[in-house]
Amino acid sequence: GQQVMQIPQYQHVQEGEDFTTYCNSSTTLSNIQWYKQRPGGHPVFLIQLVKSGEVKKQKRLTFQFGEAKKNSSLHITATQTTDVGTYFCAGPAGGSQGNLIFGKGTKLSVKP
Amino acid sequence: EPEVTQTPSHQVTQMGQEVILRCVPISNHLYFYWYRQILGQKVEFLVSFYNNEISEKSEIFDDQFSVERPDGSNFTLKIRSTKLEDSAMYFCASSERDRIAYNEQFFGPGTRLTVL
Repeated sequence: GQQVMQIPQYQHVQEGEDFTTYCNSSTTLSNIQWYKQRPGGHPVFLIQLVKSGEVKKQKRLTFQFGEAKKNSSLHITATQTTDVGTYFCAGPAGGSQGNLIFGKGTKLSVKP
Repeated sequence: EPEVTQTPSHQVTQMGQEVILRCVPISNHLYFYWYRQILGQKVEFLVSFYNNEISEKSEIFDDQFSVERPDGSNFTLKIRSTKLEDSAMYFCASSERDRIAYNEQFFGPGTRLTVL
């Protein structure tokens, strides 16, 4: 079945270092969404990418959607302790009405 | 800012018992979802609901599960006879979806279900 894979599973960085998580889908996606889940919290929507090759920025976060619409990345510049959490990518299941298939997430820890 | 709410925050039950998890989606949203997340694992889709009926469901959503929108605001997930492996965090989500693109899903805070 359709799969969404993410690497790395864990990332430990020193505050101020950059961080990148990568997402790959086994199928072409109509769009990809990114969510952040703080420890003990619930997934919170960050962004949706729709167009092939799309790049979007939110302050220190840069999101990319691959040309083939099968991969995506999230890059955080100069991490802060507030960036701690698990970052999930999610894509709609093929032919679905919107139910999302989530990657396993990348858990980011930031050492002050 | 409108938000999805869920009750209870934590439910402890004995194996074989029925549980009902409740959600109040954002009022103008049209699509409703249940997801679950086993501790430390990824979020898994269970079921989506639109226009008072199930739109899609996953393999996890077997005959032990059912959903209902009993009135204009609540959206419930019922597990008829709970199993140990049903222990997880259950998230309700809603979205205001247009015809062109999938819209963001707003997640509730979750209900932690513990089956003993």
